[in-house]
Amino acid sequence: EVQLVESGGGLVQPGGSLRLSCAASGFTFSGYSMNWVRRAPGKGLEWVSYISSSSTTIYYADSVKGRFTISRDNAKNSLYLQMNSLRDEDTAVYYCAREGIVGLDYWGQGTLVTVSS
Amino acid sequence: DIQMTQSPSSLSASVGDRVTITCRASQSISSYLNWYQQKPGKAPKLLIYAASSLQSGVPSRFSGSGSGTDFTLTISSLQPEDFAIYYCQQSYSTPRTFGQGTKLEIK
Repeated sequence: EVQLVESGGGLVQPGGSLRLSCAASGFTFSGYSMNWVRRAPGKGLEWVSYISSSSTTIYYADSVKGRFTISRDNAKNSLYLQMNSLRDEDTAVYYCAREGIVGLDYWGQGTLVTVSS
Repeated sequence: DIQMTQSPSSLSASVGDRVTITCRASQSISSYLNWYQQKPGKAPKLLIYAASSLQSGVPSRFSGSGSGTDFTLTISSLQPEDFAIYYCQQSYSTPRTFGQGTKLEIK
């Protein structure tokens, strides 16, 4: 069974940092591209970042470019999102999602990041 | 960036109704269009990929159509568990933008 489990969310002050993790199991992690997607309170889904299976291709949304860094460790079946210079508007539930043939076919349950003083 | 616009933003319907949600892209995305369902407190779930392909395990009452810039998601006979928020997403280019969502509520 495919499982994605996020962790690392919490309360952080504006300007602070957090590192999210996503532990993958039930599939060959190194064979799939991965994404981070977030949903702010009262808002819709927002795609955040993409990383290819071998980390050779990485993309970011303009809203996080220069502040967030996506990475992965295929030996540990893990995906990461390093978030720096956090802003109020980064408050959201963050999901990791596997990229299927087309579309995001498996999602984690999400981890809540709250940016507030 | 490609903008995705869904309509309507919200919709009230009854169990057994046929419902259609539309999604329009700001430029052609061929068939690189996916539909997701999200229920409160849950992760999104992929329903339809490549505009019209049903994801494994998704009931056949869900269907998708379209290509280019105009797409539709149809639920042929609403069931109680279908009341949720639906999102379209383009996977033609990055950023992989989502529509703003359509909230499907019980009438």
